[in-house]
Amino acid sequence: GQQLNQSPQSMFIQEGEDVSMNCTSSSIFNTWLWYKQDPGEGPVLLIALYKAGELTSNGRLTAQFGITRKDSFLNISASIPSDVGIYFCAGLNRDDKIIFGKGTRLHILP
Amino acid sequence: NAGVTQTPKFQVLKTGQSMTLQCAQDMNHEYMSWYRQDPGMGLRLIHYSVGAGITDQGEVPNGYNVSRSTTEDFPLRLLSAAPSQTSVYFCASSGGVYNEQFFGPGTRLTVL
Repeated sequence: GQQLNQSPQSMFIQEGEDVSMNCTSSSIFNTWLWYKQDPGEGPVLLIALYKAGELTSNGRLTAQFGITRKDSFLNISASIPSDVGIYFCAGLNRDDKIIFGKGTRLHILP
Repeated sequence: NAGVTQTPKFQVLKTGQSMTLQCAQDMNHEYMSWYRQDPGMGLRLIHYSVGAGITDQGEVPNGYNVSRSTTEDFPLRLLSAAPSQTSVYFCASSGGVYNEQFFGPGTRLTVL
């Protein structure tokens, strides 16, 4: 079946650094979604991307829908302690089935 | 809107016990689903429903039953709990033009 490869699996960064993570697939998706999960909570939708090439920002977060429709990236600028958590990418295929990546766990060093 | 709600938040069961995890949404979404989340495994789809009266199996359905008698509710039943079902369970719903999926806060289940 369709799979999303999300990388990196985990990141350790200093507060104030920029962060970049991505998802790739051999399959085409019609929508890309990025979620964040805080410890002990459910995933919360951060950004949704609907068109190939689309670049969307939400505060310090920026995400792009790859032009081939097979990848997406998420950037976080000037990280702060509350950015800690697990970030999931997800793609909606042409059957509207949602596929999740395995997540990127972000750690921020004091 | 309350969004997606789940009860209970925490549950401890003994092996062989049965229980139902409740999920409700007030967004009039047709699609609802159940996931389990285990360390290093991401989110794995258990069962899903595309509308009232319609359910289907996901990636890891064994040991779980679901029903969808109303648009709002999608309970998940464990008929005979096993330690391998210790996990965090998330209910989600999606709908509207773009079908973004929204998650509930989760139920943390421990089976002893």
